[in-house]
Amino acid sequence: EDQVTQSPEALRLQEGESSSLNCSYTVSGLRGLFWYRQDPGKGPEFLFTLYSAGEEKEKERLKATLTKKESFLHITAPKPEDSATYLCAVQGWGGANSKLTFGKGITLSVRP
Amino acid sequence: DVKVTQSSRYLVKRTGEKVFLECVQDMDHENMFWYRQDPGLGLRLIYFSYDVKMKEKGDIPEGYSVSREKKERFSLILESASTNQTSMYLCAISRGLAGANEQFFGPGTRLTVL
Repeated sequence: EDQVTQSPEALRLQEGESSSLNCSYTVSGLRGLFWYRQDPGKGPEFLFTLYSAGEEKEKERLKATLTKKESFLHITAPKPEDSATYLCAVQGWGGANSKLTFGKGITLSVRP
Repeated sequence: DVKVTQSSRYLVKRTGEKVFLECVQDMDHENMFWYRQDPGLGLRLIYFSYDVKMKEKGDIPEGYSVSREKKERFSLILESASTNQTSMYLCAISRGLAGANEQFFGPGTRLTVL
């Protein structure tokens, strides 16, 4: 069974204070690892797909990286508008092939 | 842009009522999903569908049913709503390709059962 664990559960940063969010996973053959951003009361918004270890993707102040066991979402010089919950999900080759397994998310608060 | 719409943003129903939540997509994606999201429990898959008239149980199907009569629409039905079904309901879609299939979500329906 695929599993995703995200840590920490919550993170408070000062504006400009860079940090990383962790996503640890176990999966029966990785098809893809996904990062989402979710604002309160809204649906998750897709950010990145990572396919294999060593891959990196960037979008504005966010950079996602992938190893064989973990993914990190690095936030460089965050701003208050980066405050949100960040979800990680994996899709493996076993089981129903379009299902994703989600972590519980990391709630990021960035203070001005 | 991917467009997934859900029939209501907020819904209040009484215990025992039959509730219909509808999801519509304009992307011609094969797969459609219904999740519920609760604090501390994360996203939990209720049902999903690979094609018209096809459905598969997710992790928590009890108390729910679904219908997919047209490719673009996927309905979630609560046959007899109960207070423990108060939750945020999210619809998602994805393509049915061989590789990694990211899911795109609708805005969600906040359902309260009194």
